[in-house]
Amino acid sequence: DAGITQSPRYKITETGRQVTLMCHQTWSHSYMFWYRQDLGHGLRLIYYSAAADITDKGEVPDGYVVSRSKTENFPLTLESATRSQTSVYFCASRDLSYEQYFGPGTRLTVT
Amino acid sequence: GQQVMQIPQYQHVQEGEDFTTYCNSSTTLSNIQWYKQRPGGHPVFLIQLVKSGEVKKQKRLTFQFGEAKKNSSLHITATQTTDVGTYFCAGYIGGSNYKLTFGKGTLLTVNP
Repeated sequence: DAGITQSPRYKITETGRQVTLMCHQTWSHSYMFWYRQDLGHGLRLIYYSAAADITDKGEVPDGYVVSRSKTENFPLTLESATRSQTSVYFCASRDLSYEQYFGPGTRLTVT
Repeated sequence: GQQVMQIPQYQHVQEGEDFTTYCNSSTTLSNIQWYKQRPGGHPVFLIQLVKSGEVKKQKRLTFQFGEAKKNSSLHITATQTTDVGTYFCAGYIGGSNYKLTFGKGTLLTVNP
């Protein structure tokens, strides 16, 4: 009963490198989301997906790319990492009752 | 910009004292949700309120949704050290049923 998992849990990368954060859910939820959490800003939506092959921008999408070829996976790619993308990233999925289930998070540091 | 405001930002209480956090939206919400995030953890869903004026209780936690569906509150009676964490409200704004907008949260610390 894994639910929703994220990998890696911790990542240090250099400015300019590409990095992909993985998210996997076992519930077959249609909706999946990526948030970043920063001190003073709370949780901000980066991208979301309503189903496989359907994605859309959230509040802070610049510098990020997502894909969703399978219902259970929703990877987030930072094409060229910047220091401002140092953050904690949470993936979430949603069932029909609108409540969201969050993964454990990935703490990303860009040096 | 942020359309769901939450106050206070921080609250420190002695164990046994009550705690309340307030959430206000500039627009009408179809529903409001509350989440709790323990230090170092991830947000965990607590409850969803849908109806105008709705009040729900979970043991020592009482949740209210305003009559105009623009504000909400979470009240904890007789806090315990296990209540420590950040409490977030979140709502679907602008008719969206998939873009959840979160308040910035209230960090509660409890002195034993």
